[in-house]
Amino acid sequence: QVQLVESGGGVVQPGKSLRLSCAASGFTFIIYGTHWVRQAPGKGLEWVAVMSSDGSNKYYADSVKGRFTISRDNSKNTLYLQMNSLRAEDTAVYYCATLTSDFDYWGQGTLVTVSS
Amino acid sequence: DVVMTQSPLSLPVTLGQPASISCRSSQSLLYSDGNTYLNWFQQRPGQSPRRLIYNVSHRDSGVPDRFSGSGSGTDFTLKISRVEAEDVGVYYCMQGTHWPLTFGPGTKVDVK
Repeated sequence: QVQLVESGGGVVQPGKSLRLSCAASGFTFIIYGTHWVRQAPGKGLEWVAVMSSDGSNKYYADSVKGRFTISRDNSKNTLYLQMNSLRAEDTAVYYCATLTSDFDYWGQGTLVTVSS
Repeated sequence: DVVMTQSPLSLPVTLGQPASISCRSSQSLLYSDGNTYLNWFQQRPGQSPRRLIYNVSHRDSGVPDRFSGSGSGTDFTLKISRVEAEDVGVYYCMQGTHWPLTFGPGTKVDVK
């Protein structure tokens, strides 16, 4: 059974940091690039970042570039998102997603709330 | 960045009737490899998104054949031939040709 399970969300003060995790199972995670996509409360989807299967390529949305870092540990089938200098506008549900021409897998999301 | 626009943003539908959503990109989505990386996603209330269509017109596995995608360059369309109750939700187009990837604002489909 395919699963992507995000964790690490919570309430954090502006300017602080948080690290999200996405644990994959049920498919060969290590051969696919995987994305982070977020959705602010009541708003649309916003693509955040992607990392290639071997970690050699990373791309970011302009809104997070320089503050967020995507990484992965293929030995643990896990994708990460290190979020620094958090702002109120980073408040959102964060999804990890593996999108290929054969399938798309999404997690259930983890809520990050940036508030003082 | 490539800006994706959708119309309409709200689409009240009658069950059993067709529906159509337009998506436009600010730049051509034709990639140098000959593919056009335009995707359509559905997000039902309270659920994670789910892809329906990739590369303009390729339906994902398990997606009912009442959903179809078409278009080229900068203009794309998602059509539902006969809307069913389970189709209620928000539909997003997303381009995968240019970095950063970008989504459209979403079209909310609900029943009249």
